[in-house]
Amino acid sequence: KQEVTQIPAALSVPEGENLVLNCSFTDSAIYNLQWFRQDPGKGLTSLLLIQSSQREQTSGRLNASLDKSSGRSTLYIAASQPGDSATYLCAVLRMDSSYKLIFGSGTRLLVRP
Amino acid sequence: DTAVSQTPKYLVTQMGNDKSIKCEQNLGHDTMYWYKQDSKKFLKIMFSYNNKELIINETVPNRFSPKSPDKAHLNLHINSLELGDSAVYFCASSQGRGLSGNSPLHFGNGTRLTVT
Repeated sequence: KQEVTQIPAALSVPEGENLVLNCSFTDSAIYNLQWFRQDPGKGLTSLLLIQSSQREQTSGRLNASLDKSSGRSTLYIAASQPGDSATYLCAVLRMDSSYKLIFGSGTRLLVRP
Repeated sequence: DTAVSQTPKYLVTQMGNDKSIKCEQNLGHDTMYWYKQDSKKFLKIMFSYNNKELIINETVPNRFSPKSPDKAHLNLHINSLELGDSAVYFCASSQGRGLSGNSPLHFGNGTRLTVT
């Protein structure tokens, strides 16, 4: 059974800091891993998708890495801004006929001005 | 605007009632989903349709029935609502079951259902 864990559950940092969010999963048989952002009262916005054959993806100040063998992914946010405050969720797409996306419970990030 | 839109945004109703949530996407995707987010913020898949065909049907009560009239729409009907059904329900879409890097999931803004 695939389980996805995100640590820490909450994080508060001053503006300008670089930070790392962690995601771990128990079954390495995945098609891809996705990072999402959720703002209060809103849906999820896709940030980065890493295919199982890839090691990392970058978009602007965001960099996501994937180590499938150890079941880990990190989301690196450079030069954090108050606008980055949100809940960040990772999800893995199971490599079976179910095509199910299994979500972690998220890391709630607060970037203080 | 291209998007996944779901209505209503808020739904407050009493136990035992029947309600529906509608979802539409104009992204040209062929796969649509319903997710439930509970009070602890865990997102769990409920249903998925690919080209109007049901491909994921999680262990949810049969009081929940999805309907896909075409690949741009996936509605969720709930019969005999219970207190435990209170949650935020998200609709999402992707192309080709979201396997490729070019088609992550696109989510609607959610429907907050409160059953009293």
